[in-house]
Amino acid sequence: GENVEQHPSTLSVQEGDSAVIKCTYSDSASNYFPWYKQELGKRPQLIIDIRSNVGEKKDQRIAVTLNKTAKHFSLHITETQPEDSAVYFCAASIRPGANNLFFGTGTRLTVIP
Amino acid sequence: DAGITQSPRHKVTETGTPVTLRCHQTENHRYMYWYRQDPGHGLRLIHYSYGVKDTDKGEVSDGYSVSRSKTEDFLLTLESATSSQTSVYFCAIRQGDYGYTFGSGTRLTVV
Repeated sequence: GENVEQHPSTLSVQEGDSAVIKCTYSDSASNYFPWYKQELGKRPQLIIDIRSNVGEKKDQRIAVTLNKTAKHFSLHITETQPEDSAVYFCAASIRPGANNLFFGTGTRLTVIP
Repeated sequence: DAGITQSPRHKVTETGTPVTLRCHQTENHRYMYWYRQDPGHGLRLIHYSYGVKDTDKGEVSDGYSVSRSKTEDFLLTLESATSSQTSVYFCAIRQGDYGYTFGSGTRLTVV
């Protein structure tokens, strides 16, 4: 199956700075890459996703980039705020048709006020 | 959120006892999943279902079984609970071709 590696495992930034989380995947057939945010004690929630036919996608302060050749993708959060503090998970899958999302091990982001 | 609920929310059980966790959805989604979440491991797929009575194994299926007799319910059973199965269990549904929505989770402790 797919193997997704995520770095760093923890990340602390000052409020207003940018945060970058990186993931690599092993299966070149993967074509769907979502990012989930999980606040303490809550369920993971989808915040942004990208499909392999595009290289970048933005949604306000959040952006995701994809390099298919190198098989890595990244989450970028600009102008970080304390409410961005959470655990972030990347994932990879083959869509449509196949069923499984393979997750990275998570990054705990702390935004220091 | 997308009409997905898990029960119970918390459970403590003894080693060797059977345990069943329930995932219920109200929106007739075809695909349902059970994941476990452990520190340092992220979310790992246990089993999934692609329709009534259609299920398949995920990457960490040993010691678990599932059943889906109705579209709305997906049950996860630990036949004989072990301490290594202490975890937070999340059910998820797939909406359309892409997005997953997770339930609120069940925190299971095996003592």
